[in-house]
Amino acid sequence: AQTVTQSQPEMSVQEAETVTLSCTYDTSENNYYLFWYKQPPSRQMILVIRQEAYKQQNATENRFSVNFQKAAKSFSLKISDSQLGDTAMYFCAFMKPKTSGSRLTFGEGTQLTVNP
Amino acid sequence: DVKVTQSSRYLVKRTGEKVFLECVQDMDHENMFWYRQDPGLGLRLIYFSYDVKMKEKGDIPEGYSVSREKKERFSLILESASTNQTSMYLCASRRQGGDEQYFGPGTRLTVT
Repeated sequence: AQTVTQSQPEMSVQEAETVTLSCTYDTSENNYYLFWYKQPPSRQMILVIRQEAYKQQNATENRFSVNFQKAAKSFSLKISDSQLGDTAMYFCAFMKPKTSGSRLTFGEGTQLTVNP
Repeated sequence: DVKVTQSSRYLVKRTGEKVFLECVQDMDHENMFWYRQDPGLGLRLIYFSYDVKMKEKGDIPEGYSVSREKKERFSLILESASTNQTSMYLCASRRQGGDEQYFGPGTRLTVT
């Protein structure tokens, strides 16, 4: 079974600064997908960024980028130029290849607060 | 835009009551999921369905059942609610072969 661990329950950062959220996972699979989801206060969870394990290049989406270390089974999220709207719960998630019935396994979550 | 809706944002029920949580998606997605979210535990999968009338147990199915009679609707049923089922319940859907899951707004259920 896959497990996903987020060891930082809470983090805070000043507006405009950079913050990195950590995530480690455990799997015996070679091909899989990793995600970061964001859950703003009282709002729906949305996908921030995805990484396919067979791609060595780290994914980026505007101010969001990942550091994917496959051998170390590490998948951290870097948020640059933090904005107040980045305040949210962030979840790291793992998924085996996209077959029928494939499912996400989530970490415990990291509550990020961006301070003005 | 994909839309996943849940029947209630907040629900208060008494111990022993039968509770229905409804989820509807409008994007013709094959896969639908029910999670519960508790502080420090992340999201845990209760049940999922990859086709009409098909269901599979997730990690914590005890005390729950599901129904999927139509492709767009996936219901979570608490046969006899208990206080330890007080939680946030999230529904999600995903296209077959896709990777992004779309979530509903959640139902915060309190069982007293």
